[in-house]
Amino acid sequence: QQQVKQSPQSLIVQKGGISIINCAYENTAFDYFPWYQQFPGKGPALLIAIRPDVSEKKEGRFTISFNKSAKQFSLHIMDSQPGDSATYFCASQGYGSARQLTFGSGTQLTVLP
Amino acid sequence: DSGVTQTPKHLITATGQRVTLRCSPRSGDLSVYWYQQSLDQGLQFLIHYYNGEERAKGNILERFSAQQFPDLHSELNLSSLELGDSALYFCASSVGARDTGELFFGEGSRLTVL
Repeated sequence: QQQVKQSPQSLIVQKGGISIINCAYENTAFDYFPWYQQFPGKGPALLIAIRPDVSEKKEGRFTISFNKSAKQFSLHIMDSQPGDSATYFCASQGYGSARQLTFGSGTQLTVLP
Repeated sequence: DSGVTQTPKHLITATGQRVTLRCSPRSGDLSVYWYQQSLDQGLQFLIHYYNGEERAKGNILERFSAQQFPDLHSELNLSSLELGDSALYFCASSVGARDTGELFFGEGSRLTVL
């Protein structure tokens, strides 16, 4: 089965620091790479996404870096805030008739005040 | 609020029993996806329906089944429940079947099998 491998499993960062979460995918047929953010008791919600024709996408404090040749992509959270404390999931969406997302295992981010 | 409604929010039942989880997608969304979230497995794709038709199956057990009704709401049926079925079950919806874009998730149904 197509997989998306995510690391680290958990991350603790001081307020104002940079949080970095990494993902690697196996299937080159993936063509859409979103990151979802999940707060306790809530469903995941789209945070930011990138397509493989660009190497970086930035939205506010959140940046996706994409390395197509290495089949890796990462989420950088600049100036991390306690309100960013959540679980982050990377995902990949492939070609085909159904377009379902394949998710990484998640990273629990804690930003200390 | 994502606009996706899932019921019940919490469900406790015994092994061997059968339960039904319900999902109402966002207004206008034709696709419904079901995902299972457990502590050690992350979000596992179960099944996708588009406008009443099954479009893809993932890691869905034979004891589980789903359907999407003409009004586009969907139900996930879990039978012969085992302890390992305890998990959060999420429904997500999107407008189309093949578009790239955002999935909107409900808040999940937490199933506990005792």
